[in-house]
Amino acid sequence: EVQLVESGGGLVQPGGSLRLSCAASGFTFSSYSMNWVRQAPGKGLEWVSFLSDTTRTIYYADSVKGRFTISRDNAKNSLFLQMDSLTAEDTAVYYCTRSRPLGGVTPDYWGQGTLVTVSS
Amino acid sequence: DIQMTQSPSSLSASVGERVTITCRASQGIGNSLAWFQQKPGKAPKSLIFAASSLHSGVPSRFSGSASGTDFTLTISSLQPEDFATYYCQQYTTYPYNFGQGTKLEIK
Repeated sequence: EVQLVESGGGLVQPGGSLRLSCAASGFTFSSYSMNWVRQAPGKGLEWVSFLSDTTRTIYYADSVKGRFTISRDNAKNSLFLQMDSLTAEDTAVYYCTRSRPLGGVTPDYWGQGTLVTVSS
Repeated sequence: DIQMTQSPSSLSASVGERVTITCRASQGIGNSLAWFQQKPGKAPKSLIFAASSLHSGVPSRFSGSASGTDFTLTISSLQPEDFATYYCQQYTTYPYNFGQGTKLEIK
């Protein structure tokens, strides 16, 4: 069974940093591209970042480019999102998603999400 | 950037009804379109990819189709568990934008 479990969310002050983790299990993690998607309270879904299985391809939404860094540790079956210079607009539930197999991009499995709150 | 516009934003329907939700892309995206379902307080679930292919385990009452830059999600006979918010997403080129969502409510 595919499982994605996010952690690392919490309350952080504006300008601060946070590192989200996603523990993957039930599939060969190194063979799949991954995404982060977020959802502000009461709002719709916003794609944040994409990381290919080989780590050769990385994309970011303009809203986070230069502040967020996506990475992975295939030996530990883990995906990360380093978030710096956080603002109130980054307050959201952050979802780790697995991309479809064979070079896919769009998610097929989602984690339960972790809440990030940026507030003083 | 490619913008995705869903219509309607909300919809009331009864159990057993046939429902259609539309998603329009601001430019051509081929068939690189996915649909997701989200219930309150829960993570989204994947329904459809490549415009019309069902994700494993998704009931056959869900279907997707495409015509140019217009995409539709159809639920042939609404079940109580289908009342949720639905999102489309294009993934032909980044940023992989989502539509704004369509909330499907019980009439």
